[in-house]
Amino acid sequence: GNSVTQMEGPVTLSEEAFLTINCTYTATGYPSLFWYVQYPGEGLQLLLKATKADDKGSNKGFEATYRKETTSFHLEKGSVQVSDSAVYFCALSVGGGSNYKLTFGKGTLLTVNP
Amino acid sequence: NAGVTQTPKFQVLKTGQSMTLQCAQDMNHEYMSWYRQDPGMGLRLIHYSVGAGITDQGEVPNGYNVSRSTTEDFPLRLLSAAPSQTSVYFCASSYTGLSGTGELFFGEGSRLTVL
Repeated sequence: GNSVTQMEGPVTLSEEAFLTINCTYTATGYPSLFWYVQYPGEGLQLLLKATKADDKGSNKGFEATYRKETTSFHLEKGSVQVSDSAVYFCALSVGGGSNYKLTFGKGTLLTVNP
Repeated sequence: NAGVTQTPKFQVLKTGQSMTLQCAQDMNHEYMSWYRQDPGMGLRLIHYSVGAGITDQGEVPNGYNVSRSTTEDFPLRLLSAAPSQTSVYFCASSYTGLSGTGELFFGEGSRLTVL
């Protein structure tokens, strides 16, 4: 079956520090990969995505590269801000058409201190 | 820009009571789903629907019912609430056309406590 493993949290950083949140996956077929972010008290929203190997997704200074050879999709940001404090979820979907069930990792809580 | 709207945002139930969580979307998405979020468990799929009149079970369907009579609405029913159903529930929808990539649009969540 499909599964996503992401690094355990919580992660606590100082403002302007470098961020990496690791994500690896197992999947049948060729998945699309996603990072979702959940700010306190809100629902999840898409942060970035990549739909094929070697694609790089990017948004709001965050980046992640789809690495098929290592089955990974690590999230990085060069300089985090207090406003980046949130829970980050790695996810995958396999198939197209009506087969859009996402498989989520357990989430990583990031706290950025000023 | 309403997107996905969930009601109620908060609810407290007693064991054995029934209730319905409402979900509506105005994006004409065929795919709709319900997840529950529990500490340390991530998000787990309860039920999903790929169009009006079609529903299917996800990872944790027991104790929940759904129906999809219209494209817009996808209510989640708890028939006899149990403390194990204390959770935050999220409704999410997606476009499933040829150009879709599986991006889900989430509601703000409904926090349910069962005493």
